[in-house]
Amino acid sequence: EDQVTQSPEALRLQEGESSSLNCSYTVSGLRGLFWYRQDPGKGPEFLFTLYSAGEEKEKERLKATLTKKESFLHITAPKPEDSATYLCAVQALGNNAGNMLTFGGGTRLMVKP
Amino acid sequence: DTGVSQNPRHKITKRGQNVTFRCDPISEHNRLYWYRQTLGQGPEFLTYFQNEAQLEKSRLLSDRFSAERPKGSFSTLEIQRTEQGDSAMYLCASSLGVQPQHFGDGTRLSIL
Repeated sequence: EDQVTQSPEALRLQEGESSSLNCSYTVSGLRGLFWYRQDPGKGPEFLFTLYSAGEEKEKERLKATLTKKESFLHITAPKPEDSATYLCAVQALGNNAGNMLTFGGGTRLMVKP
Repeated sequence: DTGVSQNPRHKITKRGQNVTFRCDPISEHNRLYWYRQTLGQGPEFLTYFQNEAQLEKSRLLSDRFSAERPKGSFSTLEIQRTEQGDSAMYLCASSLGVQPQHFGDGTRLSIL
């Protein structure tokens, strides 16, 4: 069974204080790993897809990396508007469910000014 | 912006009543997914359509739940005889083939 574990559950940062969020996964074969951002009362918003170990993607202050067992979301010099819950999800190869996503529990990020 | 649209945004009902939610996916997307999310947790997969065919259902989807996508466009999710444990956010997502899934803002269901 595919499993995704995210840590920490919650993270408080000062504005400008860089940090990383972790996503550990177990999957029979990885089709892709996805990062989403979710604001309160909203649906997840797509950020990145990573397909193979060593791959990196960047968007503004966010950078996602992937190894064979985990992914990191690095946040450089965060701003208060980066406050949100960040969700990690995996898609398994050979999954009959049309590439359903298996999500972790998320990391709730709070950035104080 | 023609993103994924879900209605209603909020639904409050009494235990034992039936409820129906609607999802309008991004127009050119052929795949449609339903997920359920409870407070503090990540979304959990419920079911998936490719065009009008329902191809997979999670074990989470009891026989009180039914989903349809009659013409391969919008979809409905019905819950019969609602229970307290059905209280959650119901999220719909769509994708074009294996491209990333894009989510709507969900329907929050509260059971009194």
